[in-house]
Amino acid sequence: DAGVTQSPTHLIKTRGQHVTLRCSPISGHKSVSWYQQVLGQGPQFIFQYYEKEERGRGNFPDRFSARQFPNYSSELNVNALLLGDSALYLCASSLDTQNEQFFGPGTRLTVL
Amino acid sequence: GESVGLHLPTLSVQEGDNSIINCAYSNSASDYFIWYKQESGKGPQFIIDIRSNMDKRQGQRVTVLLNKTVKHLSLQIAATQPGDSAVYFCAEEYNQAGTALIFGKGTTLSVSS
Repeated sequence: DAGVTQSPTHLIKTRGQHVTLRCSPISGHKSVSWYQQVLGQGPQFIFQYYEKEERGRGNFPDRFSARQFPNYSSELNVNALLLGDSALYLCASSLDTQNEQFFGPGTRLTVL
Repeated sequence: GESVGLHLPTLSVQEGDNSIINCAYSNSASDYFIWYKQESGKGPQFIIDIRSNMDKRQGQRVTVLLNKTVKHLSLQIAATQPGDSAVYFCAEEYNQAGTALIFGKGTTLSVSS
């Protein structure tokens, strides 16, 4: 069975640009969570979605937004990129909001 | 606010030794904890979990201990192998309209043969 997949693998943007990251959950999983992992730190929770609705939000500015589609895949959008947004963005899927979260390999975003 | 932290940023051991990685948490109301392993270029991988109604749980070569009195978690890896080299995170489950995992900074385990 395929695990959580994320695209693209790597991405380079410049300050002020917009970026969209994509995640496909494990088949049968209805919840997707997004995390930001800055180099040398643990992942920081950004959002959790379940059945296309936002169920939780971390301490991130409104420049960060996400959505979940009917097939349970998800997109994370970041507007007006800052240098500090450079990080590994991780997607995790779970059966629902209370079950074990399985992480994808992440998208490495570099903002120049 | 609530946070989960690790005591040591790095740990170096010889192959075959037992490894112990420690973690302190601050939210006494937390009732679910997970240890993750993250290899270079990969996402975190679930190792073992424990609920607050337990003080010990064993897996294959790994054991997690929970001391609620001092809010301390540890991960013990028996007969450490080079393939165990990775960054290890403890995470605390935070439930508030959804489920967020609160991670600490991680301990880098290096195993030399």
